Amino acid sequence: DADVTQTPRNRITKTGKRIMLECSQTKGHDRMYWYRQDPGLGLRLIYYSFDVKDINKGEISDGYSVSRQAQAKFSLSLESAIPNQTALYFCATSDWDSYNEQFFGPGTRLTVL
Amino acid sequence: AQSVTQPDIHITVSEGASLELRCNYSYGATPYLFWYVQSPGQGLQLLLKYFSGDTLVQGIKGFEAEFKRSQSSFNLRKPSVHWSDAAEYFCAVRANQAGTALIFGKGTTLSVSS
Repeated sequence: DADVTQTPRNRITKTGKRIMLECSQTKGHDRMYWYRQDPGLGLRLIYYSFDVKDINKGEISDGYSVSRQAQAKFSLSLESAIPNQTALYFCATSDWDSYNEQFFGPGTRLTVL
Repeated sequence: AQSVTQPDIHITVSEGASLELRCNYSYGATPYLFWYVQSPGQGLQLLLKYFSGDTLVQGIKGFEAEFKRSQSSFNLRKPSVHWSDAAEYFCAVRANQAGTALIFGKGTTLSVSS
């Protein structure tokens, strides 16, 4: 079984709709991250969380919100989706150690019409 | 501000030929550097990482990278490319201001010709 899972894997929605992307991990890591990937732009950080009570904005947090429901779960919400939020979204986790690496989920492809 | 530059958007290499993907970073102190690979339709897989010590780092799938502080570079190399290496490659540096989040380059797409 995958250590970091994301649901849904693909989603098509309409402008103005509320969307939630979910991430779960079984690695026991405290730190979780949401990135978005756009062609030619690489991955950019949306939000990150060091534990359930610690949530921080990343480089491109406008238009997004997050919820850390438990150590293992970190959800990303688009309150009112717009077409330029069409992208591939990745969740990642890492351990507390500063020499850590990040482990990525398989991604969610979101299309906003 | 920290940044990562991958100068080559797309590279084509013949199967069996050597490969070098370039990565330059901007960071004041000793950086934590990573190379990830993304195969079509897949997530990201860590190829190798550098934190300190030996500047030549060995990774999975026969890849290696060399950290050169004087050139602010962390180039990825492979002596003989296989068709299965066709993918997108990302260089990343650990962000200083966002805990252990990563700052990614824009990626280099590798195509392998037969």
